[in-house]
Amino acid sequence: AQRVTQPEKLLSVFKGAPVELKCNYSYSGSPELFWYVQYSRQRLQLLLRHISRESIKGFTADLNKGETSFHLKKPFAQEEDSAMYYCALGSGYSTLTFGKGTMLLVSP
Amino acid sequence: DAGVIQSPRHEVTEMGQEVTLRCKPISGHNSLFWYRQTMMRGLELLIYFNNNVPIDDSGMPEDRFSAKMPNASFSTLKIQPSEPRDSAVYFCASSFEGSGELFFGEGSRLTVL
Repeated sequence: AQRVTQPEKLLSVFKGAPVELKCNYSYSGSPELFWYVQYSRQRLQLLLRHISRESIKGFTADLNKGETSFHLKKPFAQEEDSAMYYCALGSGYSTLTFGKGTMLLVSP
Repeated sequence: DAGVIQSPRHEVTEMGQEVTLRCKPISGHNSLFWYRQTMMRGLELLIYFNNNVPIDDSGMPEDRFSAKMPNASFSTLKIQPSEPRDSAVYFCASSFEGSGELFFGEGSRLTVL
């Protein structure tokens, strides 16, 4: 069975501090990993996916198959990064299994 | 495109009543998903349609829940009879199969008293 674990419900940091949102997965096949974000009063939307290997809004995430992790990182957090972040695992026919989410709060 | 459209945005009902949630996916998308979001369980996939056909309904909690997609531009999720534990935010999402990117609606917040 596939599973996504986000161990932190809440992560609170100060502006300018580094951020790491943890995500671990369990999947027997070849994983496709995504990070989705939900800003206040906005829809849940795709932030980035491991295949593209790109940086979005300063965030990066590297797939580590050995540790079965896909942590989301940003070197300097901004207040506008405050949001709910979901790690998601894609399988077979396009469905996504989501973690329970981590609320990131960036204080001034 | 206005994106995925869900209605109603908020629904308050009494236990035992029937609830129908509606979704209009993005035009051209051939996959549609219903998710339920709660504090305890996060986002759970309820059912997935591809080309209007239900592919995976293993996440539907019980027989009280049913979903239909009569055509490519409309889907419903029905709960009959509703119970307080069904209180949650229900999201509809659509995508083009295989793209990996789901486009979510704004959600329908259901409260069952």
